[in-house]
Amino acid sequence: AQSVTQLGSHVSVSEGALVLLRCNYSSSVPPYLFWYVQYPNQGLQLLLKYTTGATLVKGINGFEAEFKKSETSFHLTKPSAHMSDAAEYFCAVLGSQGNLIFGKGTKLSVKP
Amino acid sequence: DTAVSQTPKYLVTQMGNDKSIKCEQNLGHDTMYWYKQDSKKFLKIMFSYNNKELIINETVPNRFSPKSPDKAHLNLHINSLELGDSAVYFCASSPVRGAGSGNTIYFGEGSWLTVV
Repeated sequence: AQSVTQLGSHVSVSEGALVLLRCNYSSSVPPYLFWYVQYPNQGLQLLLKYTTGATLVKGINGFEAEFKKSETSFHLTKPSAHMSDAAEYFCAVLGSQGNLIFGKGTKLSVKP
Repeated sequence: DTAVSQTPKYLVTQMGNDKSIKCEQNLGHDTMYWYKQDSKKFLKIMFSYNNKELIINETVPNRFSPKSPDKAHLNLHINSLELGDSAVYFCASSPVRGAGSGNTIYFGEGSWLTVV
């Protein structure tokens, strides 16, 4: 069975600082991995996804993630945080039936 | 032009009532889903339909019944609402069924259900 663990339920950074949100996965098959963002009172928006090929995946809003098979990780990064990045971030793995299996989410706060 | 739209966005209702949440996608996708987000923001699959056929039916009380009149619509009907049903319900769709080719799932804006 597949699963995802997000380390840190809450991450706080200063505006302009590096954003690093951690995600580790467990999968018996090559995983398809996703990061979604949820702004307050809104739906889930796809940031980026990894299927096969290049392990460094670039997404929207300056975010990127690197798939590391040896570490079973798919951490999300952004070089410089903006106030508008404050949101809840979800890492997910695609299950065998085609549904997403989510981590518990990480709330990102950005301080001025 | 909203790709996955669900109505209503906010719903406050009393215990014991029956309510429905409607979902429509205009992406031409074959597969639709309902996810539930609880008060701790945890997201979990409830149901999945492919071309009107039920594919995934997680351990959900049978008070919850999905209905798919056609592949562009997947409605969620909830009978005898309980306080614990208060949550955000997300409709979603994807081009195909299954995990092939890194199937991408697109979400609606959510329906905030509060049972009082």
